Amino acid sequence: GAGVSQSPSNKVTEKGKDVELRCDPISGHTALYWYRQSLGQGLEFLIYFQGNSAPDKSGLPSDRFSAERTGGSVSTLTIQRTQQEDSAVYLCASSLDSLNEKLFFGSGTQLSVL
Amino acid sequence: GESVGLHLPTLSVQEGDNSIINCAYSNSASDYFIWYKQESGKGPQFIIDIRSNMDKRQGQRVTVLLNKTVKHLSLQIAATQPGDSAVYFCAVNFGNEKLTFGTGTRLTIIP
Repeated sequence: GAGVSQSPSNKVTEKGKDVELRCDPISGHTALYWYRQSLGQGLEFLIYFQGNSAPDKSGLPSDRFSAERTGGSVSTLTIQRTQQEDSAVYLCASSLDSLNEKLFFGSGTQLSVL
Repeated sequence: GESVGLHLPTLSVQEGDNSIINCAYSNSASDYFIWYKQESGKGPQFIIDIRSNMDKRQGQRVTVLLNKTVKHLSLQIAATQPGDSAVYFCAVNFGNEKLTFGTGTRLTIIP
């Protein structure tokens, strides 16, 4: 596609359930990032993938959060045993490579944990 | 630690006037700076960027100024239009292959 695609656009879940968020980066982009944006706040870095290198997981807030990137393209962010404080917009971004810092963002997934 | 801060969380400007949004960063070794615009319900959209070897860069109606001495970055929007109403974020690369974002300034254009 022309841009970064994220699905679902909205997700409502019950506390304790697991959720999976999907990101389709721009074709040919080797770097992929996940950020979290709480209401009225800036963007909080979660995890970063670059090609076949080991991901930078330094931003993941707890071991309930994990992400993978299959075949160097699509990425899935998984949150296990969701808590109310996980409610936020989860944004995915991609860039041409790690040396090109200009990130292109998707529209995000609005996650609401009840 | 490394941080990025904005001076004003909100800013209101009369349509047609110029607006200036400011940002401060903590690490003098930062080499790449970028401004994003985020409209309601959308992801951040690239506006303009600048590297540390420059102190000014211009785009269409936008100018970014970088003052490395005081570690300050600003975004100037000329002749503001209603479509400029959004949240504006500055982001800085601290040399670790990921951008650190400020908390954003909500710009409101008054008709």
